[in-house]
Amino acid sequence: ILNVEQSPQSLHVQEGDSTNFTCSFPSSNFYALHWYRWETAKSPEALFVMTLNGDEKKKGRISATLNTKEGYSYLYIKGSQPEDSATYLCASHGGYQKVTFGTGTKLQVIP
Amino acid sequence: DGGITQSPKYLFRKEGQNVTLSCEQNLNHDAMYWYRQDPGQGLRLIYYSQIVNDFQKGDIAEGYSVSREKKESFPLTVTSAQKNPTAFYLCASTLTGTGSYEQYFGPGTRLTVT
Repeated sequence: ILNVEQSPQSLHVQEGDSTNFTCSFPSSNFYALHWYRWETAKSPEALFVMTLNGDEKKKGRISATLNTKEGYSYLYIKGSQPEDSATYLCASHGGYQKVTFGTGTKLQVIP
Repeated sequence: DGGITQSPKYLFRKEGQNVTLSCEQNLNHDAMYWYRQDPGQGLRLIYYSQIVNDFQKGDIAEGYSVSREKKESFPLTVTSAQKNPTAFYLCASTLTGTGSYEQYFGPGTRLTVT
């Protein structure tokens, strides 16, 4: 994998459903993997910073896992709420100058 | 409150004119970045600066120029040489030395060139 790829591109879920997204990234020259949440009309905000293989992070109903050997990360949202509606970006860091963003997964939670 | 400001939010220019986008941060971050977003694409790095008076080209630097005379400020000039300047521009900064590379973003400037 040469680029950072995210899937799906967009997702509509009902309030209360759980969902997950995928981020695939080059496993060579890996320093860190970031997940950002980007709400409409706001700035992207960091959700998780992950650096170690097997790392798992959790913030409330949102969690993420990291596999640096195979180059993927999953973001999970349990019991989606309308306020979770946003675009979720992942970024692979190979140092300060080697920052590559995925195209994002746009989540819409329907009340 | 600490943060990153970008101005203006919307900018309109005629083709052939240079335009400068402002980015200021009061987070005391060393590294600053400029990204461009186009529909259906991820954020693409235009320029970055790790310290004052030093900056490096990113993946799509052609047609852009920057300066870093002060730690707080990293203005981006979109020159007339940029073939497709209409886009959404995001500025970001990072605190170096932590190893996390977490980026803090401004609200962005939407530039329209006609």
